[in-house]
Amino acid sequence: GNSVTQMEGPVTLSEEAFLTINCTYTATGYPSLFWYVQYPGEGLQLLLKATKADDKGSNKGFEATYRKETTSFHLEKGSVQVSDSAVYFCALILTGGGNKLTFGTGTQLKVEL
Amino acid sequence: EPEVTQTPSHQVTQMGQEVILRCVPISNHLYFYWYRQILGQKVEFLVSFYNNEISEKSEIFDDQFSVERPDGSNFTLKIRSTKLEDSAMYFCASSENPASTEAFFGQGTRLTVV
Repeated sequence: GNSVTQMEGPVTLSEEAFLTINCTYTATGYPSLFWYVQYPGEGLQLLLKATKADDKGSNKGFEATYRKETTSFHLEKGSVQVSDSAVYFCALILTGGGNKLTFGTGTQLKVEL
Repeated sequence: EPEVTQTPSHQVTQMGQEVILRCVPISNHLYFYWYRQILGQKVEFLVSFYNNEISEKSEIFDDQFSVERPDGSNFTLKIRSTKLEDSAMYFCASSENPASTEAFFGQGTRLTVV
């Protein structure tokens, strides 16, 4: 079946530190990959996505590259801010498999001054 | 900016009772979903709904659960005879059409069964 594995949190960083949140996936076909973010008290918001191998999704300074050879989609940001504190979810949709998202467990990020 | 709205934000219910979780999807969206997240676990797909019928459901979505679009704006999840293990955060989502991969999520309803 399809699954997504994320690094466990919480991840605590100082402001301006470099962020990496690891995500690997298992899929029976050709997935599209996503990162969703949930800020405190809010719903899940799409942060970025990539639909094919070697695509790079980017938004708000965050980036993730679809690596088919390592089945990974790691989220990175060069300099985090306190406002980036949230829970980050890696997810996939299997192409041709309906529109249901398969999520990882989420990684909580705390950024401190 | 259009958003998906869920009510209530938190619902406490006694075991065995029925609950209805409500969602107002984005107005021009046609494809609707429910997901849930048990504390500390993954966000899990429950059901998708299109053209007034269920298009896909997971094995979690058994006879205890039902969905309905009672009018042009609401999308509800009914859980009958709630159990302790139904305690979770329930997320509603919508997307423009079946071909769209971008789903817009509500803020969630935290259901606590006591």
